[in-house]
Amino acid sequence: DTAVSQTPKYLVTQMGNDKSIKCEQNLGHDTMYWYKQDSKKFLKIMFSYNNKELIINETVPNRFSPKSPDKAHLNLHINSLELGDSAVYFCASSPRAPHSYGYTFGSGTRLTVV
Amino acid sequence: DQQVKQNSPSLSVQEGRISILNCDYTNSMFDYFLWYKKYPAEGPTFLISISSIKDKNEDGRFTVFLNKSAKHLSLHIVPSQPGDSAVYFCAASATGGADGLTFGKGTHLIIQP
Repeated sequence: DTAVSQTPKYLVTQMGNDKSIKCEQNLGHDTMYWYKQDSKKFLKIMFSYNNKELIINETVPNRFSPKSPDKAHLNLHINSLELGDSAVYFCASSPRAPHSYGYTFGSGTRLTVV
Repeated sequence: DQQVKQNSPSLSVQEGRISILNCDYTNSMFDYFLWYKKYPAEGPTFLISISSIKDKNEDGRFTVFLNKSAKHLSLHIVPSQPGDSAVYFCAASATGGADGLTFGKGTHLIIQP
């Protein structure tokens, strides 16, 4: 049983397209996150959702939008994809703060924009 | 602006010896520090953590040391095993972690037989 699962694992698409990455967690965690690992290997937080409410939003382009239909899901929608969006995107979840240290990550989605 | 720095991109250690991975941070608001291990094509997995009120935390072969005055922490693995070969990320959080984790760039640890 995968605790945090994200699909697809690989995504190759053309510039200008709109795409979505899905994430689901079965841990009963209250908070879910999206992280981006760029070509320089930095893992940077993009969004987090706590009980379906956006609680942080780093300075990412508004082409990126998180959608949470319920506590167990946090999908990432990306509009008008650009070459610079190519990266590995990781979904994660954690118990509610202040016990939010037990982050569990998904296996990542490698997005390649051509 | 790197708030968490891992200055060694890679480290090679002989099997059975001690591996020491270092991490420095700049944000004095950080109050919790974590180490994650990552294999290729997998997500990071939690390894060990330490609160800023402690200076040492031990879990089996893994020990994390925190020097708050120097804003420095280190991960010791002893004895090192082949399965320890992976990328190790140092991470930090403030305000109970509600703002997410700030990661370092990672150190690729290679355990040689």
